[in-house]
Amino acid sequence: EVQLSESGGALVQPGGSLRLSCVASGFTFGNSAMTWVRQAPGKGLEWVSDISATGNSIYYADSVKGRFTISRDNSKNTLHLQMNSLRAEDTAVYYCVKQFGGVSLQHFEHWGQGTLVTVSS
Amino acid sequence: EIVMTQSPATLSVSPGEGATLSCRTSQSVGSNLAWYQQRPGQAPRLLISTASVRADGLPARFSGSGSGTEFALTISSLQSEDFAVYFCQQYQEWPYTFGQGTKLEIK
Repeated sequence: EVQLSESGGALVQPGGSLRLSCVASGFTFGNSAMTWVRQAPGKGLEWVSDISATGNSIYYADSVKGRFTISRDNSKNTLHLQMNSLRAEDTAVYYCVKQFGGVSLQHFEHWGQGTLVTVSS
Repeated sequence: EIVMTQSPATLSVSPGEGATLSCRTSQSVGSNLAWYQQRPGQAPRLLISTASVRADGLPARFSGSGSGTEFALTISSLQSEDFAVYFCQQYQEWPYTFGQGTKLEIK
């Protein structure tokens, strides 16, 4: 059974930093492209960032480019999202998502339960 | 970016009846469209990929159709667990974009 377990969400002040992690199990992590998707309270879904299975291809939404960094450690089956210069509009539940296949531009096959990031003073 | 427009925003249907949810894209996405269901307090889950392919274990009462810019998700004989919010998403190009969602509620 595929499991994606996010952690690292917290209350942080504007301008602060946070690192989210996602531990994966139940599939060959090193063969899967991974994604972060966020959902502001009561709102819709917004794609944040993509990383290919090897980590060689990375993409960001314009809203987070230059502030967020996605990375992965295939030896530890772990996905990360380093978030810097956080803004109030980054407040959301962040979902770790497994894509179908090893390259990007595929559907989002499995979702974690999410971790809440709140940016507020 | 590709704009996704779902309609209606809210659909009120009685259990046992059918429902059709629509999704329109601002430019062609071929068949690179997925549907997700999100129940209250839960993460989204994949229902349909490639416009019409059901996810593993999904009941046959769910079906997807369409290509290009017009898509539909049809649910026949609604069960209590089907009342939720449904999102469409394109994965034709970056940035991936989602529709704003259709809330399927009990009439």
